[in-house]
Order: sequence, then C-alpha cells, then structure tokens
Amino acid sequence: AQSVTQLGSHVSVSEGALVLLRCNYSSSVPPYLFWYVQYPNQGLQLLLKYTSAATLVKGINGFEAEFKKSETSFHLTKPSAHMSDAAEYFCAVSEAGGTSYGKLTFGQGTILTVHP
Amino acid sequence: ETGVTQSPTHLIKTRGQQVTLRCSSQSGHNTVSWYQQALGQGPQFIFQYYREEENGRGNFPPRFSGLQFPNYSSELNVNALELDDSALYLCASSLRGNGEKLFFGSGTQLSVL
Repeated sequence: AQSVTQLGSHVSVSEGALVLLRCNYSSSVPPYLFWYVQYPNQGLQLLLKYTSAATLVKGINGFEAEFKKSETSFHLTKPSAHMSDAAEYFCAVSEAGGTSYGKLTFGQGTILTVHP
Repeated sequence: ETGVTQSPTHLIKTRGQQVTLRCSSQSGHNTVSWYQQALGQGPQFIFQYYREEENGRGNFPPRFSGLQFPNYSSELNVNALELDDSALYLCASSLRGNGEKLFFGSGTQLSVL
C-alpha cells in the first residue's frame, strides 16, 4: 500500500519569497512521485515527476523537487514566489511502472497563497 | 489546454438516481483513468480503462462502473446515487509507455441532493 502526507493544508508566502511545500510518502516498492497544481475550477496540471532518474527534478514555472529516499520525502520548492503561483498543490505517488501505471495516490493538497 | 474534455461540467441529481459522465481523451491516448475529488480532499482513483478493458480499480463499490469506446473516449456510470457521491469527477487520459504522464480534464461537478 502507498500513501502521501502533505504537511500544512495552507501555506502563505510573500511575493518574491521562497516557496516550500512538504510531501512525505510511504511505499513498499520503488515509487514514482509527482507534483500537480490545480487552479480554481480546473483540472490538474503536472508540474514535475520523479521516475528513478535524477533525484533533483526540475519542472515547469520554476518549480523543482528533490527525492530523498532516506527521508521518504519529495518536497516542492520555488526560489521566488509569483502571484500567479497561488493555487492548490497535490503530491502523488504510484508504484513504479507495470500494473500501477496511471494509478496515483494523492495527498490532501496544500493551498498556496501569495501576498503582494 | 490538455485536450481532454469532460461533459457535463455541472450536474445536479437526487439520491437514488443514476448518472453518466463522459470523457473525451486526448488524441492518440489509449488509457483513461477516473478520479473522484471530494471537497477539500485530494483525488481518489476510481478505475482505469486501457484498450476498452478495465485495468485496475480503487476502493469503490460496484455501483461505480465504466466503459471505454473504440475511439478511447470513456464513460463513468454511477447507480443508486448517495449524498457522499457529491464531488468533482476527473478524467485523465494518457498514452501507455509515455512515462506516466496523465492529462486531466477540468472535471464534472456532481451534486447529489
């Protein structure tokens, strides 16, 4: 079984400040890990994914995440927040490949607010 | 814009009724996954269809069923609706072998009264 815990249901930062959204996972097999963003009244958009290549993954819109196996973490960061980053962010895990293709387990989500 | 379209965008039903939600996948994609997102929660995996066959199911009862058509579009059917079925239903299409990249539609917001 696999699970995802996102620490902090709400995170608030000032424009230009560092964004750090925390994600810890549990998986009995090597995981694939994902971060998705959801804007109001829209579906989910993939920000980045880890699929057992480089542990530091760069995504769209200046976001990146680092896979740390020893800490079972996959935290999302962005050096400088922009107003347009305000949205809800979801971390997700799936078992690497095979029959688990496309079957993601999502965390509860973190709402990011960016203040001017 | 993901190229995945869902219809209708909003739907209101009463308890005990049946509902059908539709998803048109992105061109060339052969896999459709359905997710339920309750208010304030992350999406939960319902089931997946690959080449018209069910290919895995989450922890949902049999009254949740689906279909995938030869053009890879898909339907989600829910019978005997319950109040707790009120949620945003998301469809995601993908091409198997393309690195687990899912493309989500904007969802159907279902309200059960």
